[in-house]
This record gives sequence, C-alpha cells and structure tokens, in this order.
Amino acid sequence: EDQVTQSPEALRLQEGESSSLNCSYTVSGLRGLFWYRQDPGKGPEFLFTLYSAGEEKEKERLKATLTKKESFLHITAPKPEDSATYLCAARRVPGTYKYIFGTGTRLKVLA
Amino acid sequence: NAGVTQTPKFRVLKTGQSMTLLCAQDMNHEYMYWYRQDPGMGLRLIHYSVGEGTTAKGEVPDGYNVSRLKKQNFLLGLESAAPSQTSVYFCASSYSDSYNEQFFGPGTRLTVL
Repeated sequence: EDQVTQSPEALRLQEGESSSLNCSYTVSGLRGLFWYRQDPGKGPEFLFTLYSAGEEKEKERLKATLTKKESFLHITAPKPEDSATYLCAARRVPGTYKYIFGTGTRLKVLA
Repeated sequence: NAGVTQTPKFRVLKTGQSMTLLCAQDMNHEYMYWYRQDPGMGLRLIHYSVGEGTTAKGEVPDGYNVSRLKKQNFLLGLESAAPSQTSVYFCASSYSDSYNEQFFGPGTRLTVL
C-alpha cells in the first residue's frame, strides 16, 4: 500500500538551532515529492518539488533533498517565523492524480 | 491575483442538511481538487477535475458531489450532511500535468451537529 510517513510529529527548536524533518515514502512509480508549509488556520503553501533521487532544492533557510526512500527538509539557523506545520506529499505514476499526503511535522522555533 | 478563494470560511450544519462549498481560482488552471483535513490524518482527496466539465472520484468521495461548469469554479456539495463530515475542506488548483504543484485556498471549517 502506498504510504507517506513524516517524523517527528512535533519539533521544538531554539532560534538558530538547525535540524531536519523526515518524509519516508513507499509509493510505486513516484512522480514527484512535494513539500508544503501550512500556517495555523490557512491552506498549505507550496515550497518544493523533487523528482529524482539525488535532487536538491533550496529556498532561504530551507533545503529539500530526495533519496529513493525518503526526503529530508533541512532547516538551517531557523527563525521564529519558520514555525509552521510542514507537509510532504508524493504523487504516483502518470495518469493518476492521487497525491498521498503525510500528517505533517509541527515545527516551533523559540526566540 | 486573488489565487484560490473559498466560500464560506465557516459553516455549522445540522445532520441531514445540505450545502455547497464554492472554490474559485483566477490563475487559469486546468486542474482543481477538493481535500478534507482531519486531525492526525493527512489531506485526503475527495474529488478532482482535469478540466471544465470533467470530474472524477478521489480517495474519499462518498457523501459528496462536485461540479465544474466553468473552468474557474469547482463546487463541492453535501446532499445530506453527517457528523463524520465535520472537517476542514481545502480546494486546490494546478496548472497542468507537467507543472503540478498545487495552490491551496484558505479552507472552510465545517461542523455537522
């Protein structure tokens, strides 16, 4: 069964304390691994798409990487404004529009 | 650009009542989606559309119907609401199959008593 698992469920960091969020997936025919940020009471906001193992993408303090089994979202020197829930989603083979979302990691960055 | 908008933002229904949630996008996107988000569960796809006049079932379609009469609008209907449909509903859209990152609306919080 296709599955996306995120860990940890929640993470508290001090400002400046770098860390990584994990997204493990078992999806046949992966056609993209997506990362989104979701603030309380709002819809998810797109961050990155990764398509093949070894690919990396960066945006400000965030860097996403992809292997054949998992993706990591690295947060370097986080700030309080990085506090949010981070979601990952996997899309299956072409022709199906099913995106399988993980349950997210709630990140809290303390000043 | 307003992006993806949803109405209403909040709604309380009694069991058995019906309602329609409206999603509108101004980005000329072909694909539109309806998701529900429940505590401890990932976003789950209810229905989706790959273009004007088309709809298809997602992962959890039972109890919901949809229509896409205009390219910019995607409506989600609940014919006879049940407490199990208490959730936060998100609409999303994407440009095409190749550029398929989704843009989400702000959500509708629905409570069914």
